[in-house]
This record gives sequence, C-alpha cells and structure tokens, in this order.
Amino acid sequence: GQNIDQPTEMTATEGAIVQINCTYQTSGFNGLFWYQQHAGEAPTFLSYNVLDGLEEKGRFSSFLSRSKGYSYLLLKELQMKDSASYLCAVKEAGTALIFGKGTTLSVSS
Amino acid sequence: GAVVSQHPSWVICKSGTSVKIECRSLDFQATTMFWYRQFPKQSLMLMATSNEGSKATYEQGVEKDKFLINHASLTLSTLTVTSAHPEDSSFYICSATRPDRAYNEQFFGPGTRLTVL
Repeated sequence: GQNIDQPTEMTATEGAIVQINCTYQTSGFNGLFWYQQHAGEAPTFLSYNVLDGLEEKGRFSSFLSRSKGYSYLLLKELQMKDSASYLCAVKEAGTALIFGKGTTLSVSS
Repeated sequence: GAVVSQHPSWVICKSGTSVKIECRSLDFQATTMFWYRQFPKQSLMLMATSNEGSKATYEQGVEKDKFLINHASLTLSTLTVTSAHPEDSSFYICSATRPDRAYNEQFFGPGTRLTVL
C-alpha cells in the first residue's frame, strides 16, 4: 500500500534551524517533492529529489535516501513567514503525486 | 514561471445544486491536470487525473458521476460538483504539469473553497 508519514506539528523560534522528516512506503518511486502551504492557499513548490543526497536552495535544503524511504526538509534562519504547513509528496509511476498529511510549523519570536 | 488560475475562488451554494469550477493554465499548455480535495487540517487527496481530449481517471472512492471533469483544451479543465451536499464542502485545488519540465513539476492553482448549505 501507500503510506507517507510526517510529524503533525512542530514549533521553533526565529533564527533557529528545523528539520521536518518524511518516511514513505509506495509501490513505485519517481521522485519526492516538498511543498509549502499557507492556510487557505495553494501549495507552492520548494524542492525535488530523485537521487540520494542533499539539494540546497537558499535557506531550504532537502535530503533523500531511497534505500531507507526517507527524506527531510531543513529550514535554516527561520523567519515568522515560514509558519506554514509543509507537505511531503511522492511521485509514483506517471505524474500523479501522493501527499503526506503535512507538518504544521509554528515559528515564534 | 507557470501560472494556474481557478475560478471562482470561493462559492456558497444550496444543497442539491451543481457547481462548476474552472482551472486554467495561463502561460503554458498543460497536457495533464489534476484535481485535489482538501478538508480542514488534512492533506491534499487526489480526486482525478485529467488528460486533454480523453476521459478523466478517477481515484478509488471518488464518484465520477458526481464529480464531472472535462478537459476540453490544453489550457482549461473544469470540475462540476453535481447535486452538492454539505459533506462536499471542501477546498478544491487543481494543478497542471508542464510537458517541458524535466520532472513534471505540478503547478497549483489558488484553490476554490466550496461551502454547501
């Protein structure tokens, strides 16, 4: 079956670093996406990993281990505006995405 | 960039009526569009995959006669919720893929909030 797990909620303070983990079990794997979603808005693309290793993009980095079915999103120098839900999504065969339930991150001052 | 629009952004309707939601790719041609539904504090659940000129592929548990999808052109897909009921109240989001992007990144529309009274 398909299963994508992420923590439900996380809290952190401004300027800190936070790591959001995602584990997945899917029948196929053709890449993993991270999206950011503010309340009431559509998701926006953050990162894509298809090979093992770390992808860095500014304050955000994403890591993938295919053998472990594991990914994480690393957010550095947290800002208040980073308070949002972070969705882990796996692409199986084809183009459809399977989303995890999302991790709600609250950043406080 | 790649812009996807949805219309309307929100709609309130009476139980038993039908509601049509439009999804447009504004600056690219989208061979594939997806329709998702998101309940409060839940993640996106794929409802159906829509390919231009062919019938949509529905996910298990999604009633194709209730959620009618039409993908008449490379820039427009519509979702019609027929005989809507209060349990259909949700946030409906479409996305589109660009065939020229290497990993079929999905670009999401801003969503449509449906409230059925």
